[in-house]
Amino acid sequence: DQQVKQNSPSLSVQEGRISILNCDYTNSMFDYFLWYKKYPAEGPTFLISISSIKDKNEDGRFTVFLNKSAKHLSLHIVPSQPGDSAVYFCAASGNSGYALNFGKGTSLLVTP
Amino acid sequence: SQTIHQWPATLVQPVGSPLSLECTVEGTSNPNLYWYRQAAGRGLQLLFYSVGIGQISSEVPQNLSASRPQDRQFILSSKKLLLSDSGFYLCAWSGVGRQYTDTQYFGPGTRLTVL
Repeated sequence: DQQVKQNSPSLSVQEGRISILNCDYTNSMFDYFLWYKKYPAEGPTFLISISSIKDKNEDGRFTVFLNKSAKHLSLHIVPSQPGDSAVYFCAASGNSGYALNFGKGTSLLVTP
Repeated sequence: SQTIHQWPATLVQPVGSPLSLECTVEGTSNPNLYWYRQAAGRGLQLLFYSVGIGQISSEVPQNLSASRPQDRQFILSSKKLLLSDSGFYLCAWSGVGRQYTDTQYFGPGTRLTVL
């Protein structure tokens, strides 16, 4: 049962433009959300997170927005750079255990 | 700063052979440790986690086992590999306490191919 869904398997954006990656979740008990970036044959790298008590968290070019009523979060990358090309995973956790629930990832390609 | 190591980076094993993957963490004490697997075309699935030496919790029934012989060492094992065990295995660590547990930091991974 996929509790975290990333419905766009891929996204292509031009360098300098905004990249918006989306994530939906079904479990209302989730209260902490994370984005990871992954290059091929490497482990995921933690990017940014947000607690459910906030609706926005910003770190440099990366901003995560959380809409609890819609059970939706998004990652904005502004401006996008070719080095941002990677697979981005959304993850969520709740108070009931240690597991991070991951989406299947969105492959972002930033073209020059 | 904290670092996490995994080895080997790649492994090709025949069906029925044993498996041992090792993970070590540096720069932190008493971390929570995790083993994940990413199968082809799928997200990351938690296999095991450990909150201390000798304490292992399994998230899914499977052909694998885990052990934590030392505070910063986590081992994934199998007595007899199956074809379905192929995948990308990731070790991760996090701090202790709810405010730290949720952010997990991953190692470089091991690509396992079972033939």
